[in-house]
Amino acid sequence: GDSVTQMEGPVTLSEEAFLTINCTYTATGYPSLFWYVQYPGEGLQLLLKATKADDKGSNKGFEATYRKETTSFHLEKGSVQVSDSAVYFCALSNAGGTSYGKLTFGQGTILTVHP
Amino acid sequence: EAGVTQFPSHSVIEKGQTVTLRCDPISGHDNLYWYRRVMGKEIKFLLHFVKESKQDESGMPNNRFLAERTGGTYSTLKVQPAELEDSGVYFCASSQEEGRVLHFGNGTRLTVT
Repeated sequence: GDSVTQMEGPVTLSEEAFLTINCTYTATGYPSLFWYVQYPGEGLQLLLKATKADDKGSNKGFEATYRKETTSFHLEKGSVQVSDSAVYFCALSNAGGTSYGKLTFGQGTILTVHP
Repeated sequence: EAGVTQFPSHSVIEKGQTVTLRCDPISGHDNLYWYRRVMGKEIKFLLHFVKESKQDESGMPNNRFLAERTGGTYSTLKVQPAELEDSGVYFCASSQEEGRVLHFGNGTRLTVT
């Protein structure tokens, strides 16, 4: 079946450092890929997405490129802020039609950014 | 617009008891999903409603779990009887067909002792 593997955390960075969180996937067909973020005390929010190979999703300074050849969707940000401290989840959807919301998640990566 | 609301935010029950979790989706969202994160592991899909109908319940772990969505509005997830391994965070999400973005609630943290 489908699966998503994220780099294990926690990740601790200083403000303005470069961030990479690795994500690789296993899936049949052509899944859509997502990054979700969960800030403390809140629910998951969609951070960015990409629906086909070579697409780049971006939002709030974060970027991720859908790489089919390496089955990867690594999350990057050039300069992190304290407010980026959260749990980040990589996910895929391999269901068509009305089942697009059936997501397969990675295990989550805790990011802590210090001033 | 109000977001997805889940009740309660926390629940602590003893093994063998019954617990009912509630989810109020965003008004007008026909699609409602339940997910669960157990013991810091990955978040796993439980089931999907389209209005009041179960579209996909392939992720429901066993028959101790019962989900309903009365009138296609709010949904409940009942665990009866609860076991220790049911402890975790239960998330609800809703979406419209247009945009296809899932909106998640803050989750219910269930602890079974």
